Amino acid sequence: DAGVTQSPTHLIKTRGQQVTLRCSPKSGHDTVSWYQQALGQGPQFIFQYYEEEERQRGNFPDRFSGHQFPNYSSELNVNALLLGDSALYLCASSPNSYEQYFGPGTRLTVT
Amino acid sequence: GNSVTQMEGPVTLSEEAFLTINCTYTATGYPSLFWYVQYPGEGLQLLLKATKADDKGSNKGFEATYRKETTSFHLEKGSVQVSDSAVYFCALSEPNSGGGADGLTFGKGTHLIIQP
Repeated sequence: DAGVTQSPTHLIKTRGQQVTLRCSPKSGHDTVSWYQQALGQGPQFIFQYYEEEERQRGNFPDRFSGHQFPNYSSELNVNALLLGDSALYLCASSPNSYEQYFGPGTRLTVT
Repeated sequence: GNSVTQMEGPVTLSEEAFLTINCTYTATGYPSLFWYVQYPGEGLQLLLKATKADDKGSNKGFEATYRKETTSFHLEKGSVQVSDSAVYFCALSEPNSGGGADGLTFGKGTHLIIQP
């Protein structure tokens, strides 16, 4: 049983560009959450998707947007990248319960 | 809003020492509490959880008890090993109206270093 997978592993972008990160949840999980983890910090909740809709959002600007597909996979889009967006982006899936299972993350570097 | 406070690291211990990592929380409702562990270069792994007051979560020799009266969820292990070296995160999540759980609120993490 494959766990949560994310792509790409690493990404380098320039300020002002746009980026799309992808996540495939664990089999049987219908809820996907995204987190941003800056170096040396705890993960910060960005948003959560359930039944293809954004169910909850953390304190992140509208530059951060997402999507969930019918197969429960999800994308995170970030527009107008800033240097401060450099971080590890983590996707977590859950069967609409409390236990969230994390993927390995995508390391985004903005130069 | 919700928040989680963990003891600052790094915490350096010798192998077979007793471990305690303190965690306290602030929440508006009745959260579930978690400890996650992150090994170098990897994502987060759920270590243990507790969903209501006085519950004890345990896994791999680690334990934590949900103390509502002190709003705490301290992580303990009786005898640590070098392989326990990692960053440990305390987190909470509250139930949502859809029957699931909200996004996790994490502490800043505690870097644990175990020396042989």
